[in-house]
Amino acid sequence: DAKTTQPNSMESNEEEPVHLPCNHSTISGTDYIHWYRQLPSQGPEYVIHGLTSNVNNRMASLAIAEDRKSSTLILHRATLRDAAVYYCILRGNSGGSNYKLTFGKGTLLTVNP
Amino acid sequence: KAGVTQTPRYLIKTRGQQVTLSCSPISGHRSVSWYQQTPGQGLQFLFEYFSETQRNKGNFPGRFSGRQFSNSRSEMNVSTLELGDSALYLCASSWRTSGAVTDTQYFGPGTRLTVL
Repeated sequence: DAKTTQPNSMESNEEEPVHLPCNHSTISGTDYIHWYRQLPSQGPEYVIHGLTSNVNNRMASLAIAEDRKSSTLILHRATLRDAAVYYCILRGNSGGSNYKLTFGKGTLLTVNP
Repeated sequence: KAGVTQTPRYLIKTRGQQVTLSCSPISGHRSVSWYQQTPGQGLQFLFEYFSETQRNKGNFPGRFSGRQFSNSRSEMNVSTLELGDSALYLCASSWRTSGAVTDTQYFGPGTRLTVL
């Protein structure tokens, strides 16, 4: 499976934007970039996904580099409820990554009031 | 629409016993995947079921097994429990089967298993 690299932890203040980076230099052309997050004492929840173009939804935005070797999850105004571990995951049709989510260590986001 | 439900939420067993965990997917979802989460190994894929058939399996010993019923509900069983099986067991459901790389997986809250 193609690998992703994320910082272990990041800190933000409430109501400020947060940019969570992810490096995936070995991404293949058919790999989608997915983001999930896991709030304390809960199962992971889907945040957003994209292939090449930047994507927006009600939760976040996903900015994908032109060469696709990196991406950034953007939370426009962090709230205390956004404190979670954020996982960047590649899913494609090669290397067995299509049928499962391969979770790395993720980034622990702390939001200060 | 109700989310993914898992029962029980907490379970304490002793070494050598066996355990059965249950997962009810979101209505209409036909795929159920199971994951194990531990502090040391993180989240790891156990297996996936679709239309009552195991479609994919992770790298876990044969003590870990599962099944899916005609209503898409799924159970996983762990026999001859070991201390290292203590973990949070998560199930996730999705509408389509494996290979749908854009499909969202919806996770339940998990079952916290403690093996003494």
